[in-house]
Amino acid sequence: EPEVTQTPSHQVTQMGQEVILRCVPISNHLYFYWYRQILGQKVEFLVSFYNNEISEKSEIFDDQFSVERPDGSNFTLKIRSTKLEDSAMYFCASIRSTGGYGYTFGSGTRLTVV
Amino acid sequence: GQQVMQIPQYQHVQEGEDFTTYCNSSTTLSNIQWYKQRPGGHPVFLIQLVKSGEVKKQKRLTFQFGEAKKNSSLHITATQTTDVGTYFCAVFPSGNTPLVFGKGTRLSVIA
Repeated sequence: EPEVTQTPSHQVTQMGQEVILRCVPISNHLYFYWYRQILGQKVEFLVSFYNNEISEKSEIFDDQFSVERPDGSNFTLKIRSTKLEDSAMYFCASIRSTGGYGYTFGSGTRLTVV
Repeated sequence: GQQVMQIPQYQHVQEGEDFTTYCNSSTTLSNIQWYKQRPGGHPVFLIQLVKSGEVKKQKRLTFQFGEAKKNSSLHITATQTTDVGTYFCAVFPSGNTPLVFGKGTRLSVIA
């Protein structure tokens, strides 16, 4: 079964440093998402991406965040200047089309900011 | 924005007992999805409900969508240790807007 691949699985970074989280969505999927989950809490929407641009973003997704699809396969989330409160699991998800399909999530990147 | 309330937050059951989690909305939903997240894992899509009063089954799991399309439930019959995890309901606030998750119900199964 096709998978969404995320790297790295775990990233430890110092406060103020930049991090890039990488995702390879399923190849024929067109809509891409980043969600985050602070330990033990709900899964929160960050941003959606379609046709090489952001289609929607939450209030969490402020100026320190950016997303990019640098080539035909990778989908990245950059956090420019990490804060302690950015520590969380970050999940990438993709779907082939909108209209109520189930999202396929990657296995996540655990970001720890120290 | 669209909010869904999910209860209970935690549920501990003995293996073999049944389990139910409920998801409630103040507004009518177009559809609702359910996901399972194993400890340390990622959300995995289980099912989508669309029709009023719809009931769907997956082995020991029964999913129901309320007649008014404002609530939904997931019922597990005779829980097993493999059922351990957090069960989330999730909805699309409107149109093509991204999925919004409930807070989830964490299920523990005691063998």
